[in-house]
Amino acid sequence: QVQLQESGPGLVKPSETLSLTCTVSGESLNNAYWAWIRQPAGKGLDYIGRIYSSGSLYYNPSLKSRVTMSIDMSKNRFSLEMSSVTAADTAVYFCAHYKQYCSGGNCFRYFDLWGRGTLVTVSP
Amino acid sequence: EIVMTQSPATLSLSPGERATLSCRASQSVTSSFLSWYQQKPGQAPRLLIYGASTRATGIPARFSGSGSGTDFTLTISSLQPEDSAVYYCQQDNSLPPTFGGGTRVEIK
Repeated sequence: QVQLQESGPGLVKPSETLSLTCTVSGESLNNAYWAWIRQPAGKGLDYIGRIYSSGSLYYNPSLKSRVTMSIDMSKNRFSLEMSSVTAADTAVYFCAHYKQYCSGGNCFRYFDLWGRGTLVTVSP
Repeated sequence: EIVMTQSPATLSLSPGERATLSCRASQSVTSSFLSWYQQKPGQAPRLLIYGASTRATGIPARFSGSGSGTDFTLTISSLQPEDSAVYYCQQDNSLPPTFGGGTRVEIK
């Protein structure tokens, strides 16, 4: 059974850097896309970005200047760093497996596996 | 970016009733790139439907999806108490992927 588990500090000071890791068990990171999505309390879901096992990256333009993602194949985990955080970055952060494939002339893209999420609060 | 608008914001229905949730995109979305997720309090979203109409593994048959272009629908044919949740649509037709604001389904 594939499981994703987020980890990292639950409290970050304003202007500092948020750092989270997602450890994947039950499946290799190889030949797959891995994503970060966040959810402020009581609000909807915001896409942060994704990384491919080769290291190829896509960041949401709204966060691109502050976000860095990386992947560690040897430890089967991938990471998120977000710099210069403010209170607006307070949210539950989810890591997810992003599946995309083509079959029978149709291509599909969706987030099929999610971690349980971790709350990050930005506060002095 | 494509804006996804869901309606209604809240749906309050009795067990056994039919729930119809709407999702409208600001631009046309290829059906194969439209997904629905269910989120219960304190939990991660769970994939329900992908490709606008294909149920994910383990999803009961009472959940169905339809639609094309800019208008998509999630239908729960006969509500069960465990269907109480927030439901999100999501497009992956163009970058960045975006989610709707959600519809909360309450069971009376």
